[in-house]
Amino acid sequence: QKEVEQNSGPLSVPEGAIASLNCTYSDRGSQSFFWYRQYSGKSPELIMSIYSNGDKEDGRFTAQLNKASQYVSLLIRDSQPSDSATYLCAVVLYNQGGKLIFGQGTELSVKP
Amino acid sequence: EAQVTQNPRYLITVTGKKLTVTCSQNMNHEYMSWYRQDPGLGLRQIYYSMNVEVTDKGDVPEGYKVSRKEKRNFPLILESPSPNQTSLYFCASSLTSGRALVGTDTQYFGPGTRLTVL
Repeated sequence: QKEVEQNSGPLSVPEGAIASLNCTYSDRGSQSFFWYRQYSGKSPELIMSIYSNGDKEDGRFTAQLNKASQYVSLLIRDSQPSDSATYLCAVVLYNQGGKLIFGQGTELSVKP
Repeated sequence: EAQVTQNPRYLITVTGKKLTVTCSQNMNHEYMSWYRQDPGLGLRQIYYSMNVEVTDKGDVPEGYKVSRKEKRNFPLILESPSPNQTSLYFCASSLTSGRALVGTDTQYFGPGTRLTVL
């Protein structure tokens, strides 16, 4: 099992819909989780971080964490074409000295 | 403006010709790292540095060297580049790392260096 796993996509949603991006991780002791957005050819930028079970909302973005299921997700409400990008999940693996591991990313395409 | 800079942004070179990619940050960050990004493989860490003169291997260190003589600079050196090192490279920095890494102290990424080795 990969340490951090995401569906590579592409995930295609119509404009205005909710996009749901998922990530699973292997280290049960992990405490810190991040979502980065990366436009093609650009560097990753942090959009959300989450540390506690439950939901964390920031504008149109909601991060959801379920440590028991080792699952973290990102919901994007009212998706816009400008949200089209690759979304990277990153996890701090506590049982590996706090190494930050990135998933391979999910490509999201929002169609007008 | 807080930023991480990398140079060059694009580089085409030939097998075996030594090259250096520079990375500099102006945020007084202790932690710096280098990643390579390849299609389908995501970001993989090459080397990282916890502070001046402290460096360690990441997941894919073979064929690379680094140095950290000053806090702000963390160059990546390819002594004898090979075609399998053709990739997109990112430098990143953060105030802390590991278990102390929290969202308000995230990693700042440089703009990337696209390297092609022929």
